[in-house]
Amino acid sequence: EAQVTQNPRYLITVTGKKLTVTCSQNMNHEYMSWYRQDPGLGLRQIYYSMNVEVTDKGDVPEGYKVSRKEKRNFPLILESPSPNQTSLYFCASSYRGQYSNQPQHFGDGTRLSIL
Amino acid sequence: TQLLEQSPQFLSIQEGENLTVYCNSSSVFSSLQWYRQEPGEGPVLLVTVVTGGEVKKLKRLTFQFGDARKDSSLHITAAQPGDTGLYLCAGASYNQGGKLIFGQGTELSVKP
Repeated sequence: EAQVTQNPRYLITVTGKKLTVTCSQNMNHEYMSWYRQDPGLGLRQIYYSMNVEVTDKGDVPEGYKVSRKEKRNFPLILESPSPNQTSLYFCASSYRGQYSNQPQHFGDGTRLSIL
Repeated sequence: TQLLEQSPQFLSIQEGENLTVYCNSSSVFSSLQWYRQEPGEGPVLLVTVVTGGEVKKLKRLTFQFGDARKDSSLHITAAQPGDTGLYLCAGASYNQGGKLIFGQGTELSVKP
């Protein structure tokens, strides 16, 4: 089954404790992206990757890191989480970047609470 | 910074009513996508529009891309409780690389 898998689905942690949210897709997609979703603000793009070893900042990259060492994986790293990073996070992938208007396939989300 | 203003943010209607959701921007987009999201799940693509003035239909849903490619609308005819969910528009533009800009979303509730 074609899917984007995020882990964990839920996490409660404390300020300053490094965490990683993993994202994996099995569709051989070139493009992957991370979003955060907050009430009234819609989805905001954090980072995206057009292909392996290529990453770029989205609209809200501060406090986050990503890497794309393999095509299928795109982990999101919070080196020193803070309460304002409490949010619902989505990973997405598509065949190519937005130039080709390809649909994005989203994971089911990771709800992070930073105390 | 490109922005997509989506309206209304909340909509509560009775089964059988018609509704329209709007997505507006001062910027031009090369394409615009509409997604639907249900609680506990990620957004799922409904349609992509790429040509100014384009109209696409998906059963009772009609999507239109403005002539100038700055705005879009989603019209639902005879809404049903199964249409309940969060509707999101998202725009992509050539001069923004791989960025996708989302509207704030419209929370639709259709009561039986």
